[in-house]
Amino acid sequence: NAGVTQTPKFQVLKTGQSMTLQCAQDMNHNSMYWYRQDPGMGLRLIYYSASEGTTDKGEVPNGYNVSRLNKREFSLRLESAAPSQTSVYFCASSEVWDRDSNQPQHFGDGTRLSIL
Amino acid sequence: AQKVTQAQTEISVVEKEDVTLDCVYETRDTTYYLFWYKQPPSGELVFLIRRNSFDEQNEISGRYSWNFQKSTSSFNFTITASQVVDSAVYFCALSEPYNFNKFYFGSGTKLNVKP
Repeated sequence: NAGVTQTPKFQVLKTGQSMTLQCAQDMNHNSMYWYRQDPGMGLRLIYYSASEGTTDKGEVPNGYNVSRLNKREFSLRLESAAPSQTSVYFCASSEVWDRDSNQPQHFGDGTRLSIL
Repeated sequence: AQKVTQAQTEISVVEKEDVTLDCVYETRDTTYYLFWYKQPPSGELVFLIRRNSFDEQNEISGRYSWNFQKSTSSFNFTITASQVVDSAVYFCALSEPYNFNKFYFGSGTKLNVKP
């Protein structure tokens, strides 16, 4: 029962390097999300994909791009990494849910990204 | 704009004490959803509860209980007889009305339960 799998778990980059964070879910969920978690700020939504073929900006999209490759996979790309992007990144997925659904989002274990 | 405030940055209690984690939210809309998540030291986020704005009934699940009050825009979480395994960061979150894919998280409250 893998759930949501993120790779890599840790990464160190130099300023200006590019990187793609991978996320895959095996729960046949329609919606997928990328968040970043910074100390004292909780989780902030970067981008989300409500369904295969669609992506939308969240609260903090600048400096990132995403690709919903298929229903299972949703990647996050940093084209030119900056120290301000040092963070823990979480991917999540959910079923398209209605008011009676009980478990809106399943989260991956996170990717710790450091940019020097 | 949606906003969630968890004013308690860190709380320390001794095992078996009761503890309440506060969550205050802001939204102009009448339809919305509220959530609590737990993040143990291992780092993963675990969903605890979801509540919609139409339902102000309080909920109890074992040692956990939630008090939702629209009049004060609060959705507080109480752990009764705390245990060391309850030590974690707890996040309150609000979903955007009519776009339930957009979530707004509070900054989290770190709970330390000491033996």
